[in-house]
Formats: sequence, structure tokens, C-alpha cells
Amino acid sequence: NAGVMQNPRHLVRRRGQEARLRCSPMKGHSHVYWYRQLPEEGLKFMVYLQKENIIDESGMPKERFSAEFPKEGPSILRIQQVVRGDSAAYFCASSPGDREAFFGQGTRLTVV
Amino acid sequence: AQSVSQHNHHVILSEAASLELGCNYSYGGTVNLFWYVQYPGQHLQLLLKYFSGDPLVKGIKGFEAEFIKSKFSFNLRKPSVQWSDTAEYFCALLGSARQLTFGSGTQLTVLP
Repeated sequence: NAGVMQNPRHLVRRRGQEARLRCSPMKGHSHVYWYRQLPEEGLKFMVYLQKENIIDESGMPKERFSAEFPKEGPSILRIQQVVRGDSAAYFCASSPGDREAFFGQGTRLTVV
Repeated sequence: AQSVSQHNHHVILSEAASLELGCNYSYGGTVNLFWYVQYPGQHLQLLLKYFSGDPLVKGIKGFEAEFIKSKFSFNLRKPSVQWSDTAEYFCALLGSARQLTFGSGTQLTVLP
């Protein structure tokens, strides 16, 4: 059973471009969480999704950021028109809903 | 709403010292509690978990945590830390709405 897979591991984007971060949850997991971690800061909750539904997006900036978890395929975190302040590590975690969550290796986004 | 507080942002200990990291939560319903560890440059890994039963739970690498319902606490302990325990430690709460909430993390530095 493969763990939570995130890709790419490293992503470099120029200001104004779009960043698409992918997260494939563990088999059998229908709950996905996205977190952002800035240098010297803790883990900030962004969004919680179940298959085809956004359950809680209270941690996600209102503009430029969106997330989806379609019926088929990975969860996608999309950042449009990236700015330097978006540079961070983005972690995805999945769970079956009533147990602990498992984390992916993260995607380190650098905006130049 | 649910929340998790970790009051110690940075703890510095010498090897063989005893460790206790505080975690307090706010939630009115049944809780599931976790401690995760993030070693430098790595993703979060589960240290231990509490779902029900014995409030004293033992995890990997000699860590343990005690759930004290009356104090809304789930403190992490280790009798004798090692240099390799240097990492960031996150307490997390899973409420009945299945949202996973993390504390801000505690950076532990163990001096050789």
C-alpha cells in the first residue's frame, strides 16, 4: 500500500504563473487535508476535502487559491498568479476519516 | 470550533534530560488526539495516537503521552532525550466532524 504521494517534490514558478500541486491519497482514504508550512512557522491548515466536496476551506486565501478532490484522480491544489509570498512547503495528508492521517513528502514551491 | 494550543514554541535540552511538551485542546465532543514529529527536511510522521481506553499511550522511540480529560491536555513525554530527537513536534486533534486540527508546533533542540 503506497503512502500519500505528492508531486512534484519541488516546483519553481515565476511570479504570475500558475502552480498545480498534486496529492494522491493512500488507497481507501477519502479524506484529504492540505497544509502550508512557511520557514520558521508551524503548519497552517488550508483546506479539508472529501471526494468531490470541499468540507472546510477556512484556511485558504480567498483569491488565487483553489482545491479539488475529484471522484477519480488526485487532489489538486491550484495557485494562480503566484507571488513570492506563496513560496512554502505544501503538505497533503489523507485519512479514512475516523483514524489518523498520513502525510506526503510535500511539495516545495519556490516563486522567483 | 476546535483548536489546539502548544505553548512551548522552542525547547532546548541536553541529552539525557527528560522531556515534556504541552498540548491543550478545545473541543466539546469526543476527541482523538495525536502527536506527529517532523525531522529536519522531512514530512510529518505519526508518533502516537489516542482514541479511547488507557489514557496513557505509548508511541515509537520511547515517547508517551497522557490524555487528561479534565485538563483538556495531551502532553508528550520522554524520560531521556537523544540528540536524534531534535525535530518539530505537532499535537493534533480529530473531532467528530472529522477535521484534523494541528497546534503551531514545538521545536525541540537536543544538545549533544
